[in-house]
Amino acid sequence: EVQLVESGGGLVQPGGSLRLSCAASGFIFGSYGMSWVRQAPGKGLEWVSTISGSGGSTYYADSVKGRFTISRDNSKNTLYLQMNSLRAEDTAVYYCAKDLYSSSWYGFDCWGQGTLVTVSS
Amino acid sequence: QSALTQPASVSGSPGQSITISCTGTSSDVGSYDLVSWYQQYPGKAPKLMIYEGVNRPSGVSNRFSGSKSGNTASLTISGLQAEDEADYYCCSYAGSSTVFGGGTKLTVL
Repeated sequence: EVQLVESGGGLVQPGGSLRLSCAASGFIFGSYGMSWVRQAPGKGLEWVSTISGSGGSTYYADSVKGRFTISRDNSKNTLYLQMNSLRAEDTAVYYCAKDLYSSSWYGFDCWGQGTLVTVSS
Repeated sequence: QSALTQPASVSGSPGQSITISCTGTSSDVGSYDLVSWYQQYPGKAPKLMIYEGVNRPSGVSNRFSGSKSGNTASLTISGLQAEDEADYYCCSYAGSSTVFGGGTKLTVL
């Protein structure tokens, strides 16, 4: 069974940093692109970032470019999101999601349960 | 990276059919057959319902179907059931990025 489990969320002050992790199991992790998608309280889904299976290609939403860094450790089956210079508008549940195919952009067929990040003083 | 446009809400009675539209631009929906649709219950993670505009993952009811015309994609749910009441989001490739719609709340009357 494919499973994604996020961790690392919490309360952080504006300007602070946080690193999210997503532990994957049940599939060949390094063969699939992975993404982070967030959802602010009471709002819709927002794509944050995508990384290729090898980790060699990364993509970011304009809203986080230069502040967030996506990475992966295929030996540990783990996806990461390093979030720096956090703002109040980054407050959201952050989901990790598995790409449907080895190539990205076709859709996300498995999602974690999400981890809440709250940016507030 | 502007969000795709969806109606805020739609409703229908059990057994009826409804359609949710998703309007983008020639830079996203109109240029790629890479629209996906997600169902989300309150407090839960989204679930993939349609990918590549028209394909259903295994396990998804054939009451759900997708289509596209120009810059607008659509999700149709036939034979509405109470369990279909949820939020629905469209999503499209937009050239080295992905963009979601604002979401549509489906109410089954």
